[in-house]
Amino acid sequence: EVQLVESGGGLVQPGGSLRLSCAVSGFTFSDHYMDWVRQAPGKGLEWVGRIRNKAKSYSTDYASSVRGRFTISRDDSKSTVYLQMNSLKTEDTAVYYCARVVPVGGAGYFDYWGQGTLVTVSS
Amino acid sequence: EIVMTQSPATLSVSPGERATLSCRASQSVSSNLAWYQHKPGQGPRLLIYDASTRATGIPARFSGSGSGTEFSLTISSLQSEDFAVYYCQQYNKWPPGTFGQGTKVEIK
Repeated sequence: EVQLVESGGGLVQPGGSLRLSCAVSGFTFSDHYMDWVRQAPGKGLEWVGRIRNKAKSYSTDYASSVRGRFTISRDDSKSTVYLQMNSLKTEDTAVYYCARVVPVGGAGYFDYWGQGTLVTVSS
Repeated sequence: EIVMTQSPATLSVSPGERATLSCRASQSVSSNLAWYQHKPGQGPRLLIYDASTRATGIPARFSGSGSGTEFSLTISSLQSEDFAVYYCQQYNKWPPGTFGQGTKVEIK
């Protein structure tokens, strides 16, 4: 059974940092691209960023709203993907999901998602 | 950037009835369109990809159609577990995660 489990969410002050983790099981993690997607309260889904696999040199891409502040990394030996969030803003408050990517078309879609972890940025 | 527009924003349906959700792209996305179901407290669930292919384990009452700029998701006979928010997503062009704003299917 494929499982993605996020952790690390919580309350942080504006300007602070937080690292989210997404531990996966049930598939060969190292083969796959992984994305982070978020949902702010009362809003829709917003793509955050992507990390590709070793064959694609673990390259990353980010949404313009988080570029330069957020960093995605992965540890294939632990089947875990991370989202390091720095210089957090109140508008980063959201539930953060990790998702497995099916890299077809020009951008890919998401065939498995975690249950999400809540990040609240507030003073 | 491609903009995805879903309608209606809310759909009130009685259990057992048919529901049809629409999704329009601002430019052609070919058949590179996915539909997701999202319930509170859970991660989204992939229902349909390539506009009309059901994902693994998805019941036959869910069907997708369309190509180019106009798409629809039909739930033939709504079950209690189908009340949720539904999102479409195009994956024809970068960036990823170009989602519609969602359609909430609620109990009438």
